[in-house]
Amino acid sequence: NAGVTQTPKFQVLKTGQSMTLQCAQDMNHNSMYWYRQDPGMGLRLIYYSASEGTTDKGEVPNGYNVSRLNKREFSLRLESAAPSQTSVYFCASSLYTFGEGYGYTFGSGTRLTVV
Amino acid sequence: AQSVTQLDSHVSVSEGTPVLLRCNYSSSYSPSLFWYVQHPNKGLQLLLKYTSAATLVKGINGFEAEFKKSETSFHLTKPSAHMSDAAEYFCVVGAGSYQLTFGKGTKLSVIP
Repeated sequence: NAGVTQTPKFQVLKTGQSMTLQCAQDMNHNSMYWYRQDPGMGLRLIYYSASEGTTDKGEVPNGYNVSRLNKREFSLRLESAAPSQTSVYFCASSLYTFGEGYGYTFGSGTRLTVV
Repeated sequence: AQSVTQLDSHVSVSEGTPVLLRCNYSSSYSPSLFWYVQHPNKGLQLLLKYTSAATLVKGINGFEAEFKKSETSFHLTKPSAHMSDAAEYFCVVGAGSYQLTFGKGTKLSVIP
């Protein structure tokens, strides 16, 4: 099925551990995004990639790094996890940057707990 | 600059009664507006979008939204609520190359 695939779906980390969240889309979209969702906060943009080979910071980039591996894949890395990074992480993609009238397609999310 | 305000954090309706989820926006440019739905433990799904065509937009599952420029509103409605509509709904605004801004969400409960 066409769409956005995120792995893993669930993860528990200890403070200070590192991990990479993977995201892949098969819709030939140009732009990809990482959001975090916290209760009562809506979705906040962490990083985005307008096109292959480019990445930019969003609203809450501290503590994260990203890699746009190719047109399909966009990974998010936590180098030293902190309890404040406990959240649900969503990857999204769009044909044009920031949706431009078309909206985003979202993955099903990664639920991360840092203890 | 742009922003979006969802006026209710929680709405509760009885099954079969109308649904109204309210959204106000601000934007320096002609906006694109979206409503997304998120069912428990799922990702976000696009319900409908406004992109400067017809001001009354029809979406999936019987939902509609009306763009009112004079009121800077984009409220989501459905004539008759179904149990499967229980979810969280997000109003989203975007303009040109500026990033999309998400509202904080409205949780819809449907009482049998």
